[in-house]
Amino acid sequence: DGGITQSPKYLFRKEGQNVTLSCEQNLNHDAMYWYRQDPGQGLRLIYYSQIVNDFQKGDIAEGYSVSREKKESFPLTVTSAQKNPTAFYLCASTQTGERNQPQHFGDGTRLSIL
Amino acid sequence: AQSVTQLDSHVSVSEGTPVLLRCNYSSSYSPSLFWYVQHPNKGLQLLLKYTSAATLVKGINGFEAEFKKSETSFHLTKPSAHMSDAAEYFCVVRLSGYSTLTFGKGTMLLVSP
Repeated sequence: DGGITQSPKYLFRKEGQNVTLSCEQNLNHDAMYWYRQDPGQGLRLIYYSQIVNDFQKGDIAEGYSVSREKKESFPLTVTSAQKNPTAFYLCASTQTGERNQPQHFGDGTRLSIL
Repeated sequence: AQSVTQLDSHVSVSEGTPVLLRCNYSSSYSPSLFWYVQHPNKGLQLLLKYTSAATLVKGINGFEAEFKKSETSFHLTKPSAHMSDAAEYFCVVRLSGYSTLTFGKGTMLLVSP
């Protein structure tokens, strides 16, 4: 089955530590996205990438970094500069070229501070 | 600029009664509109999308939405709620030419027996 796989499902971060969230898709989609979800705030865009080796900042990129070395992979690093990392993180992908194409989502990673 | 307003943070219904989740958008251009559903600790699943082919859009699990340009609304409805419909629902907008989405803050649907 085609889809998006996020791992791990739960992750704990110690103070001063960087952690990396994995996102892999086998849908052959060009574009990939990372969102942060906090209760009552909807989804906010962290970073997105429309093509390999290129990515753009979203609305809340500070304290996060990404890479896009392969079409199917878009890992997100939560750095120690992100002072409030506790949230639910969602990865999504879509095919570019048609504006009505929906985004497909993974099942998320829940990050907490130890 | 585009924005999405979901008018209710919570909606409570009884099983078997109609569901109405309200969404208004602001956009200077013809938008793409979507409704997604999210069950606890899961990702978002597409319910339906507006493609400008028809103003009444049918989605999965018996949900429908009607695009009303004059009212800038895209409300989600279902004739008869089921217990399995209890979840959070998001109204989403994308402007023509943009690859990013703007999400509403979500409406939690509670269904009682």
